[in-house]
Amino acid sequence: GAVVSQHPSRVICKSGTSVKIECRSLDFQATTMFWYRQFPKKSLMLMATSNEGSKATYEQGVEKDKFLINHASLTLSTLTVTSAHPEDSSFYICSARDSGNSAFFGQGTRLTVV
Amino acid sequence: AQSVTQPDIHITVSEGASLELRCNYSYGATPYLFWYVQSPGQGLQLLLKYFSGDTLVQGIKGFEAEFKRSQSSFNLRKPSVHWSDAAEYFCAVGLNQAGTALIFGKGTTLSVSS
Repeated sequence: GAVVSQHPSRVICKSGTSVKIECRSLDFQATTMFWYRQFPKKSLMLMATSNEGSKATYEQGVEKDKFLINHASLTLSTLTVTSAHPEDSSFYICSARDSGNSAFFGQGTRLTVV
Repeated sequence: AQSVTQPDIHITVSEGASLELRCNYSYGATPYLFWYVQSPGQGLQLLLKYFSGDTLVQGIKGFEAEFKRSQSSFNLRKPSVHWSDAAEYFCAVGLNQAGTALIFGKGTTLSVSS
């Protein structure tokens, strides 16, 4: 099956700094990628839909100025958590849709803000 | 609004015993239903999906799920559980056939005892 790679898998940053998370489709082109957030013992919550070459569509309640999404190429979408705070600590997962309309998930990124 | 309910937060079964994880959904149109498995600190792996047709769906790792429209359910089953099946299981309803833009249930943690 198709492979989606997220980097980094874990990151610890200081409060107030920004962190960039990359989501790459390794063997297919993805015009659409999705970013999810998972809280401990909670389900995944869709944050935004990332479309190549256009602005991301954010779900209600997600701050677009805080969670910047860039989908500059057909194989890469990035999520930047700006001015991170401890409450932003979470597990972030991306998924990418291939030309066959199947979605594949990355392995996730554990963000800890101290 | 679409929603997914997984009534069981945590289930423990003995190795070799059968398993059923419950999932109920609320969706106005034809549901696209999915089951994912997540190992600790990892991304999600698709077990199986239902779009239409045969209501009994076979998936990977010996899992199957049955769609029952009258009960708005899509329960996951496995006849004989292995210790390696211990993980978090998520039921999800997709807003489209691609399985993207998913709405997840809160998950069921499966523990396997020897």
